Amino acid sequence: QSALTQPASVSGSPGQSITISCTGASSDVGGYNLVSWFQQYPGKAPKLMIYEVNKRPSGISDRFSGSKSGNSASLTISGLQAEDEADYYCCSYAGNRNYVFGTGTKVNVL
Amino acid sequence: QVQLVESGGGLVEPGGSLRLSCAASGFTFSDYYMTWIRQAPGKGLEWISNIHNSGKTIYYADSVGGRFTVSRDNAKNSLYLQMNSLRVEDTAVYYCARMDLVGARFDNWGQGILVTVSS
Repeated sequence: QSALTQPASVSGSPGQSITISCTGASSDVGGYNLVSWFQQYPGKAPKLMIYEVNKRPSGISDRFSGSKSGNSASLTISGLQAEDEADYYCCSYAGNRNYVFGTGTKVNVL
Repeated sequence: QVQLVESGGGLVEPGGSLRLSCAASGFTFSDYYMTWIRQAPGKGLEWISNIHNSGKTIYYADSVGGRFTVSRDNAKNSLYLQMNSLRVEDTAVYYCARMDLVGARFDNWGQGILVTVSS
């Protein structure tokens, strides 16, 4: 199973909106509405930000939103804040109880 | 609150073995699938295994199948990862995570434990 493709980095200024893409195949992203997104600070464990494409766990800011079209999913961060600077990973169910993560995207807040 | 604490990591030579443990608390352990995920230094996340609530069904990534064995002891609220025939490329931080079948989401993670495979 190949990793999902994400841009290496995305940058934005405070207050702006950014979007991170996550491209897979019909066997993973395109085949199931089971895409999650995780935020990870250096040296820390990942944190679930979005699941089932566009649902937020309790306590996650509504500045974070997810979507999917075909074999690609996206995470949008609105009203970018300094604290959003972190690595972000998508993850998709890939059938047969297997899961695949994305390559990861570093978000830089300028 | 949900807490997951990994232990058992360290330095091991190629071809060696290591057993990781994950102690769970703050939730009914036997109600959940559990997962192992790893992250090589400076690299991305890699799913390696899921284990059913009962422990009777286990799924592995191709990269570790046949070398790694996952088990659980619901009476002890513990998850285990037995790693055999370790390779240099198995060097990583290993995370245990709780998996909620609703949304197939990894909703709580341990802090991770470093495994270094080197001679």
